[in-house]
Parts: sequence; structure tokens; C-alpha cells
Amino acid sequence: KQEVTQIPAALSVPEGENLVLNCSFTDSAIYNLQWFRQDPGKGLTSLLLIQSSQREQTSGRLNASLDKSSGRSTLYIAASQPGDSATYLCAPRANAGKSTFGDGTTLTVKP
Amino acid sequence: ETGVTQTPRHLVMGMTNKKSLKCEQHLGHNAMYWYKQSAKKPLELMFVYNFKEQTENNSVPSRFSPECPNSSHLFLHLHTLQPEDSALYLCASSQGGLAGGDEQFFGPGTRLTVL
Repeated sequence: KQEVTQIPAALSVPEGENLVLNCSFTDSAIYNLQWFRQDPGKGLTSLLLIQSSQREQTSGRLNASLDKSSGRSTLYIAASQPGDSATYLCAPRANAGKSTFGDGTTLTVKP
Repeated sequence: ETGVTQTPRHLVMGMTNKKSLKCEQHLGHNAMYWYKQSAKKPLELMFVYNFKEQTENNSVPSRFSPECPNSSHLFLHLHTLQPEDSALYLCASSQGGLAGGDEQFFGPGTRLTVL
């Protein structure tokens, strides 16, 4: 059974800092890994999707890396802004249907 | 409408009521999903449909009954729920098929409260 751990559980930083969110998973036989953000009481917004054959993906100030063999992914956020405040979720997908989610990292960026 | 929509956005029901949640995707996708998000728990997959066929049932109690009449619509029929079923119910869609490499897009969710 896939287990996903996200560290840290919560993070508070001043505006402008670069930061790294970590995701580890126990079953390395994944098809892809997706990073999402979730604002309080809202749905999930897809940020980045990394296929199992890829090492990283970039979108704007976000960069996600994947080390499948060691069961780890990181999300790097450059020059953080207050609007980045949200909960960030990673979800490795182990087969055609099933994604497993971590508990998330709740990020607060202070002006 | 664009993306994935869900109605209603909020629902309060008694334990003896019967209600349905609706999800519609406007992305031309072939796979649709129901997830449950309870307070202080990770998001849990409930059901997956690929090309209208159910391909995943994650040991969900029978008081939750999904229906997928076509690739664009997904319903979750609710009956005889318990207070612990109160949660945010999220619908998602993706391109689908067997490859498994596709990106999931989520709706805004239905906040369900069972009294």
C-alpha cells in the first residue's frame, strides 16, 4: 500500500524567500506524480505533473523534481509571495486509476 | 462553463435523507473520479470511472452509490449517511485510458454536512 509523507507539515516564511517542500512515497512503481495547491475550503489546483520517465518539470516560479528510485519529490518555489499561501499536496499515481495523497504542507508567506 | 463543475457547493442533510451530488467536466476527458476529504485526513479516492465503466471502488460503503451516465457527467447518490460522512467531496477528471500518465483536474467540491 502506497504511503505518502510530506515534510514539513507547516511552513511560515517572509515574502521573497525561496523554499522547498518535500514529498516521499514508499512504492516507487509510479506512473506519475502530481503537485497541487489547495486554498481553504476549495478544490485542488494542478501545479505540475511529472511523468515517471522525467526528472523535473518547471512552471514559472515553480520547479518540481522526481527521484523515483528513492521515492522522493521536491517542489521548489522561488521568490515566494503572499498569494502562494495555501496547502500544497503531492500525489504519486501507482496505476491507471489510483493516486495517493499526502497530508500536505501548509505554507504561509508573510508580507 | 469551463473545467470541472460540481453542484451543489454546500449540502446539509439528515441521516434518513437521500440526495445526489453532481459533477460535470467540460474538458473532453474520459475518466472521472470521486474523492473524499475529511478534516485532518488525506484526500481519499472513492471511485474511478474510465469511459463510463467503474474501474476502481476503494472499499466504499454501499450508502454511497456512484453513477456515470456518460463521460462528461458523474453522480454520487447518498442515502442513510452517518455524521462521520461529513466532508468535502471532490470530483476530478483526466484524459483517461490505461496509460495512467494523465493529469487530474479537480472541481471546487461539495461541502457535505450530515446531521
